[in-house]
Order: sequence, then structure tokens, then C-alpha cells
Amino acid sequence: NAGVTQTPKFQVLKTGQSMTLQCAQDMNHEYMSWYRQDPGMGLRLIHYSVGAGITDQGEVPNGYNVSRSTTEDFPLRLLSAAPSQTSVYFCASSRPGQGVHEQYFGPGTRLTVT
Amino acid sequence: GQSLEQPSEVTAVEGAIVQINCTYQTSGFYGLSWYQQHDGGAPTFLSYNALDGLEETGRFSSFLSRSDSYGYLLLQELQMKDSASYFCAVGPEDSWGKLQFGAGTQVVVTP
Repeated sequence: NAGVTQTPKFQVLKTGQSMTLQCAQDMNHEYMSWYRQDPGMGLRLIHYSVGAGITDQGEVPNGYNVSRSTTEDFPLRLLSAAPSQTSVYFCASSRPGQGVHEQYFGPGTRLTVT
Repeated sequence: GQSLEQPSEVTAVEGAIVQINCTYQTSGFYGLSWYQQHDGGAPTFLSYNALDGLEETGRFSSFLSRSDSYGYLLLQELQMKDSASYFCAVGPEDSWGKLQFGAGTQVVVTP
């Protein structure tokens, strides 16, 4: 299994541009989440999904959209990039038997907005 | 709302024991977990406590006291490769998909 994969690894955007961060997992996990990590602030939940077709907001959802059309994929869309969205973005997944606490993280996407 | 507190940095020598404390305030509680993250890497799951007491996994142990809203991660026989950031995280009972992380503790292991 490849686990959780994320693309791209690095991205530079200009203010106002839009883009989609890709996340996929091949472990048949129902639960998937997106986090952002800023220096000294730990991980903050952006959006999460408990299964295909079901998504909900986390702690910092503004400026981001998600959808979950398949179990495997959970893309994160930045609608109009702002410098405040410069961060490292992690996607994670878990399965019901393990609980939300044991999550598998992807390698991250390092995003810079100028 | 929820809040978690953990020390920002801990320094210790190889072979020593380090304890990272985590105190939390939550409107509901489901469990306390710990993650390790090396510089430039992804967080990796270490342990999870849903009930009071000590959970041991090799050189790492995690403890939870629900009545005190307190837990800790114990790193024994420290090795250089243990230099990393360690995060505690809690999940509330009424939001199965949500997990809130502390700001992290940087552990520096010196020779």
C-alpha cells in the first residue's frame, strides 16, 4: 500500500489564484481530514469527512472547500489564495476500528502565497 | 471549546528519561493521543489512551488521568533519533471526526 499520498509537494501561488491540493489513500479508510500546520501552532483541522459524500468543517474552514466523491480521494480547494494561507498542509485518514485518534498522515504540501 | 497545554521544549541527554506533560480543557472527552513529527516530516501516531492509566509501547509510555484532565508521554532510554516534536491531541465525544492538537513539544536529545 502507498498509504496517504499528497500532490504537489511544493507550490507557490500568487494572491487571488485558486488551486486544488490532492489527497488519496489506498487503505479503504472512511475518515479523512485536512490540517494546516503553522510554526508554533501545531496542527489545525480545516475540513474532514466521515465517508463518501459527507464532509464537515473543522476549526479553520474559511477560504477552503472540500468534496468527497470517492472513498479514496479528498481534495482541498483554495478558492482565492491569500498570504495568510501560506502553510504546510497535511491530509490524514483513519478507519472506524482504529478511531479518529490513530490517523495516518500524508507527506504534506508546502504552500507559499505571495 | 477545547485547549491543550504542553511545554514548548525539553532537552535531555542520550539514555535519559523525558516526560512530556499535556493538560487539556474540553467540553467533552473521547481520548488522548500522541504523535511524533521529525523536522520536515509528517506526524506519525505513537499512542492512544481512552481510559485512565498507563499504556506502554516499547520505550514509549503514555498516561492519562481523566479526573485531572492530564496526560503525559514518557520517553525512556533516549536516542538521538528521538529528537523531534511531540504533539498531544484530544477528540470530543460529540464529534467523531474532529481531533484537536496541542502546539507541540520540541525534544532535543544531546550526546
